[in-house]
Amino acid sequence: KNEVEQSPQNLTAQEGEFITINCSYSVGISALHWLQQHPGGGIVSLFMLSSGKKKHGRLIATINIQEKHSSLHITASHPRDSAVYICAVMNTDKLIFGTGTRLQVFP
Amino acid sequence: KAGVTQTPRYLIKTRGQQVTLSCSPISGHRSVSWYQQTPGQGLQFLFEYFSETQRNKGNFPGRFSGRQFSNSRSEMNVSTLELGDSALYLCASSRQPGALLWRGYTFGSGTRLTVV
Repeated sequence: KNEVEQSPQNLTAQEGEFITINCSYSVGISALHWLQQHPGGGIVSLFMLSSGKKKHGRLIATINIQEKHSSLHITASHPRDSAVYICAVMNTDKLIFGTGTRLQVFP
Repeated sequence: KAGVTQTPRYLIKTRGQQVTLSCSPISGHRSVSWYQQTPGQGLQFLFEYFSETQRNKGNFPGRFSGRQFSNSRSEMNVSTLELGDSALYLCASSRQPGALLWRGYTFGSGTRLTVV
């Protein structure tokens, strides 16, 4: 069993829909990251969380340390949000990655 | 300013060969880290270099090695290639090392290696 699990693996949505991607982990962490990877391969950091909730534009990330669970929400989704979203946790001195959620948003 | 440059973008090699991939960081960035990404395993950390010294290493066999030059450019080498080494290899650069400073990392677009 992977130490970081994401769901769903694949997600399709119509433009404007509210999107939720989930991340569960089984190890102790000091921080959790949400990353976005576009088809070209480059990766961008969206959020780094250690508690609570963060919001940036249409993106919202939450974390529940007790339940070892984090969610990434996208409000009013748009085709340009189509990408792979990766959850990564910081465990001692190393990052452990989830396998990613591939999101496709259709107009 | 120029981003992180990885060369080549695509590469096809046969089993048993060796390969060298290159990563040129953003000017002023002295830390370079390497990652392997496969459909089954996702992203996995390979190693990180800072000021020509390997600072951290992931759980990969000794066939995977790297180095960093005085101008901060980094290379990674995979010897005796196996089919399972087929992957997208990404590098990232930052001013300082350490994944806690993740938000300061800039990724390249990767080198896609196919082993046949």
